[in-house]
Amino acid sequence: DIQMTQSPSSVSASVGDRVTITCRASQGISSWLAWYQQKPGKAPKLLIYGVSSLQSGVPSRFSGSGSGTDFTLTISSLQPEDFATYFCQQANSFPLTFGGGTKVEIK
Amino acid sequence: QVQLQESGPGLVKPSQTLSLTCTVSGGSISSGGYYWSWIRQHPGKGLEWIGYIYYSGSTYYTPSLKSRLTISLDTSKNQFSLNLSSVTAADTAVYYCAGQPVVRHAFDVWGQGTMVTVSS
Repeated sequence: DIQMTQSPSSVSASVGDRVTITCRASQGISSWLAWYQQKPGKAPKLLIYGVSSLQSGVPSRFSGSGSGTDFTLTISSLQPEDFATYFCQQANSFPLTFGGGTKVEIK
Repeated sequence: QVQLQESGPGLVKPSQTLSLTCTVSGGSISSGGYYWSWIRQHPGKGLEWIGYIYYSGSTYYTPSLKSRLTISLDTSKNQFSLNLSSVTAADTAVYYCAGQPVVRHAFDVWGQGTMVTVSS
């Protein structure tokens, strides 16, 4: 199985801050990397697929980059509604696997 | 716009079979545009992909659950289902059904999730 390791596991930030979350795959996954946002008690919501493609309706302050084994999710200017947990997911090979999550908390 | 809704018992006894159904609305499960998956989340933990089924009936199960798992389709009801046998407390989790477009390789539609507790 491909292991997905996210860092940090949590980050404290203020509204307006730039936040970067990293996801590292245990082996190359080409461009098959997605990012999700999850709020308490809710299902995950797709933000980005194919490393850097923004899902319809997702604000442009979210962006993704990377290749091979190292990927990042950046929130350019954190908004109050962005406080949540973020997960990466690889779709290069089965079984599909997720990162452990990064909780973005209010500073 | 495709929407998903899970249904099934919230409490299952140890050693019994956990059975959940996902009803698809706003689109046909037989259209061929989606892989239909089950994903679970243990309390306070990350996400674990369980397996998928395609409209053709082809499936892929995560190896750690394969011996206990069946995912099936009911095209007449526009539903797909999860059966997990011989459950233990370790199977207590929120279970989500989700759809992954064939061309997108990411889950762009999710059910709201249903909490299943395994306890006597």
